[in-house]
Amino acid sequence: GDSVTQMEGPVTLSEEAFLTINCTYTATGYPSLFWYVQYPGEGLQLLLKATKADDKGSNKGFEATYRKETTSFHLEKGSVQVSDSAVYFCALNNNAGNMLTFGGGTRLMVKP
Amino acid sequence: KAGVTQTPRYLIKTRGQQVTLSCSPISGHRSVSWYQQTPGQGLQFLFEYFSETQRNKGNFPGRFSGRQFSNSRSEMNVSTLELGDSALYLCASRLTRDRGLEAFFGQGTRLTVV
Repeated sequence: GDSVTQMEGPVTLSEEAFLTINCTYTATGYPSLFWYVQYPGEGLQLLLKATKADDKGSNKGFEATYRKETTSFHLEKGSVQVSDSAVYFCALNNNAGNMLTFGGGTRLMVKP
Repeated sequence: KAGVTQTPRYLIKTRGQQVTLSCSPISGHRSVSWYQQTPGQGLQFLFEYFSETQRNKGNFPGRFSGRQFSNSRSEMNVSTLELGDSALYLCASRLTRDRGLEAFFGQGTRLTVV
């Protein structure tokens, strides 16, 4: 079956540091890929997405490129802020409908 | 535009009881899915409803059930509650079943079974 693997956290960075959160997936065909973010006490919010190979999703300074050859969708940000502290989930959707397969989540903590 | 609304936000139930959670999707969205979030298992898919029909089901026991009404509102029910059912239950809505579309999540219902 489909699966998503993310680097385990927590990831602790100083403000303005560079962020990378690795995400790799296993799936047949051509899934759509997503990064969601969850702030304390909240549901999930879409951060960015890519629906085909070589697409780059971007939002709020975050970027991720759909790499079919390495089955990866790594999340990057050039300069993190304290307000970016949250849990980040990589996910894929490989079938019709609303079924997302999530990675285990990576907690990011940014210190001033 | 109102987001996905889940009620109640918090619930405390006793083992053996049953519980019903409600989800109102974004207006016009016809696909509603439910997920269970726990520290140990992470986010797991429960089921998806579209046009009042269950389209997908995750690997959960039959104690977990759901339904969708003609206005796309959805409910999920858990019968004979167990301690392990304690979790955050998230509802997500999507305009259609297109897998490339964003899923919008509610804030969740935090269920505690004692």
